[in-house]
Amino acid sequence: QKEVEQNSGPLSVPEGAIASLNCTYSDRGSQSFFWYRQYSGKSPELIMSIYSNGDKEDGRFTAQLNKASQYVSLLIRDSQPSDSATYLCAADMRFGAGTRLTVKP
Amino acid sequence: ETGVTQTPRHLVMGMTNKKSLKCEQHLGHNAMYWYKQSAKKPLELMFVYSLEERVENNSVPSRFSPECPNSSHLFLHLHTLQPEDSALYLCASSQDWIADYGYTFGSGTRLTVV
Repeated sequence: QKEVEQNSGPLSVPEGAIASLNCTYSDRGSQSFFWYRQYSGKSPELIMSIYSNGDKEDGRFTAQLNKASQYVSLLIRDSQPSDSATYLCAADMRFGAGTRLTVKP
Repeated sequence: ETGVTQTPRHLVMGMTNKKSLKCEQHLGHNAMYWYKQSAKKPLELMFVYSLEERVENNSVPSRFSPECPNSSHLFLHLHTLQPEDSALYLCASSQDWIADYGYTFGSGTRLTVV
């Protein structure tokens, strides 16, 4: 069974801090990795994609991929209350259950 | 209309009813998907269509029947559902079925089976 695992949280960080979200996947053949943000009552929204080992930065977001460890992470710098949401990790077409993040003012 | 549109937004149906969910994408994508989202569980991939052909069917019960008449439209026909089928049903599209560039999701249909 191909699985994507995430800590369910909730993860709580103060405003301005760095939020770190982690994900592992079981299918070593996975090629594409994504982070989606889902606000309560809304559908998932793609925020980051990463395909090769290393870091990829986009504004306040940094995605990290380590294929040897089958590990993907998302760092959110200078966290804002508007970042409070559930973050879903995906490997190809398989999703994790999501980590709920709360950023406290 | 832009993006991925799903109708209806909410649906309540009895176990003996027949209903259909509709999805339309205006992005020129070639692949469309149905996912089921239940509370505190990962999104469950149900069906994948690429250029109107079904390329994946993840052991979904036959009471769910997909239809893809063209690359812009996707339906999910429902009949004799069970209460445990109550969930958020999400339609998504991508440029190709390998989804190298990720998905664009619709707003979802919140289904309640009574």
